[in-house]
Amino acid sequence: ETGVTQTPRHLVMGMTNKKSLKCEQHLGHNAMYWYKQSAKKPLELMFVYNFKEQTENNSVPSRFSPECPNSSHLFLHLHTLQPEDSALYLCASSQGNWETQYFGPGTRLLVL
Amino acid sequence: GENVEQHPSTLSVQEGDSAVIKCTYSDSASNYFPWYKQELGKRPQLIIDIRSNVGEKKDQRIAVTLNKTAKHFSLHITETQPEDSAVYFCAASVNNQGGKLIFGQGTELSVKP
Repeated sequence: ETGVTQTPRHLVMGMTNKKSLKCEQHLGHNAMYWYKQSAKKPLELMFVYNFKEQTENNSVPSRFSPECPNSSHLFLHLHTLQPEDSALYLCASSQGNWETQYFGPGTRLLVL
Repeated sequence: GENVEQHPSTLSVQEGDSAVIKCTYSDSASNYFPWYKQELGKRPQLIIDIRSNVGEKKDQRIAVTLNKTAKHFSLHITETQPEDSAVYFCAASVNNQGGKLIFGQGTELSVKP
């Protein structure tokens, strides 16, 4: 599938590093999302963007900083992360609110 | 806050049997309920969804039922096959927060040949 792509697919970083996750959707959608998926936990919504405007910040720590320069691209900037931030980070997009969300393949993040 | 409870957490069935996964939600204003399937190492993919204006929806071997009064909805898979083995997530919309879905904890379904 190429509708929603994410890079990198795997990332290992130290707690003092700064890195960015990238998401791109080729579906012409207006809404984009970041989710965190940890083992044995439900998908946790982090951020929602509608027409490039952030409409949801689900009490996410400031060490996660999203950026949405246009409707097709979404970034998640990471700095001074903690080991408990290790997880699969999934990006998704949808045509509008409460429409089908299409997920990217995710970035598997390991914080050492 | 809003919450979605999903049961069971694991489910093992024989090939050809039916599987049922149940979810309850807390936000009475929720009106969109998707189900996602996530195979090992892959992304979640929508398999069926239902909106609050209908009580049941079917797509081949998969069906979803919704009881708005009781605030619960269920996924039914008939004639299960080994390729149905995956983790299934239910979700419910949070209607005063555009686009927000609350997901259940997931059900790991194993279909034994």
